[in-house]
Amino acid sequence: DGGITQSPKYLFRKEGQNVTLSCEQNLNHDAMYWYRQDPGQGLRLIYYSQIVNDFQKGDIAEGYSVSREKKESFPLTVTSAQKNPTAFYLCASRSLGDSYEQYFGPGTRLTVT
Amino acid sequence: AQSVSQHNHHVILSEAASLELGCNYSYGGTVNLFWYVQYPGQHLQLLLKYFSGDPLVKGIKGFEAEFIKSKFSFNLRKPSVQWSDTAEYFCAVSTSRSGNTPLVFGKGTRLSVIA
Repeated sequence: DGGITQSPKYLFRKEGQNVTLSCEQNLNHDAMYWYRQDPGQGLRLIYYSQIVNDFQKGDIAEGYSVSREKKESFPLTVTSAQKNPTAFYLCASRSLGDSYEQYFGPGTRLTVT
Repeated sequence: AQSVSQHNHHVILSEAASLELGCNYSYGGTVNLFWYVQYPGQHLQLLLKYFSGDPLVKGIKGFEAEFIKSKFSFNLRKPSVQWSDTAEYFCAVSTSRSGNTPLVFGKGTRLSVIA
């Protein structure tokens, strides 16, 4: 069954702790993306990667870090430097061929108290 | 940088009413346009997309959208909504033919359909 998996679905952390959100895809897509969704804000791009071992900052990269060691995996770390980490995080992937459609995972809801 | 505006934050309609959700983008070059939908508790999924050709595109579940280049618009329409259309709708734009620029999303429009 092809798709994007994100784990866990819900995550709770104390303020000051780093936390890593998992994103795995078996669609053989080249590009992967992390978005943050807040009520009334839509989806805002955090980081993206078009090839293994390379990634670019999105619009709101401060306080986040990523890695792309494997084509199928793009984990996101929310660091203690992120001022408002509580949010819904969405991972997406896309083939860089002729489709352009981004496929989304189910998301991880992170709550930091 | 390109941006996407969705003018309606929350739309409430009765079943069988017609729907039109506005979407405008700010980019003067070639664009690829998308509408995504997020049903309660479900993944974001693609409703329809426009790359080129006929500016009136049809998507799933009876939705359609019209690309009007002169107005930088890509409004979503459905002639008769159902309760099951209750969801959040996002317009998105990509400005690269090769597909190597990320999608830029609007802030979304929440649609509530009441019986």
